[in-house]
Amino acid sequence: AQTVTQSQPEMSVQEAETVTLSCTYDTSESDYYLFWYKQPPSRQMILVIRQEAYKQQNATENRFSVNFQKAAKSFSLKISDSQLGDAAMYFCAYYRNNNDMRFGAGTRLTVKP
Amino acid sequence: DVKVTQSSRYLVKRTGEKVFLECVQDMDHENMFWYRQDPGLGLRLIYFSYDVKMKEKGDIPEGYSVSREKKERFSLILESASTNQTSMYLCASTTTGQSYSYEQYFGPGTRLTVT
Repeated sequence: AQTVTQSQPEMSVQEAETVTLSCTYDTSESDYYLFWYKQPPSRQMILVIRQEAYKQQNATENRFSVNFQKAAKSFSLKISDSQLGDAAMYFCAYYRNNNDMRFGAGTRLTVKP
Repeated sequence: DVKVTQSSRYLVKRTGEKVFLECVQDMDHENMFWYRQDPGLGLRLIYFSYDVKMKEKGDIPEGYSVSREKKERFSLILESASTNQTSMYLCASTTTGQSYSYEQYFGPGTRLTVT
């Protein structure tokens, strides 16, 4: 079974600073998708950013960007100019099909004012 | 706007009770999923459905069953609730349409406590 590992159960960042959340995964496939989801306290989980494995270019969405290293099976999330609203649980996820997908254990991000 | 709703935010049940958790999506999505979320374990897939009346087991189906009689509704059933089923349950849906992005849309979750 594929695994997704988030080695940082908790992280904190000062408001306006930059933080990087780590994610590694295990797969023997070459075609798959990777996601970062955000779960704010008591609110619904939403997609932050998505990366297609066949694309070499790292995905970017405003203040959020990823560092996708396919050979190393690494998919980290960088949050620039952190805001109080970024405080949440962040989940890294791997998807190839409905029978082959995994979520990591999550990283709780605290943003300090 | 995309919307996935779940029947209850909080639920308290007794051991041995039959429990129904309902999920409804208004996006005409083909695929629907049930997960349980536990601290330190992330999200684990219980069951998913890719069409009406179709279902497939996920990683942890034991003690659960599902029902999908209509495309928009996916129910999770705990036949005889046990204390180890105390957890947060999340429903999600995705589409296999032309603009398929594989993004999952999540409901708000149901926090179930079995006493």
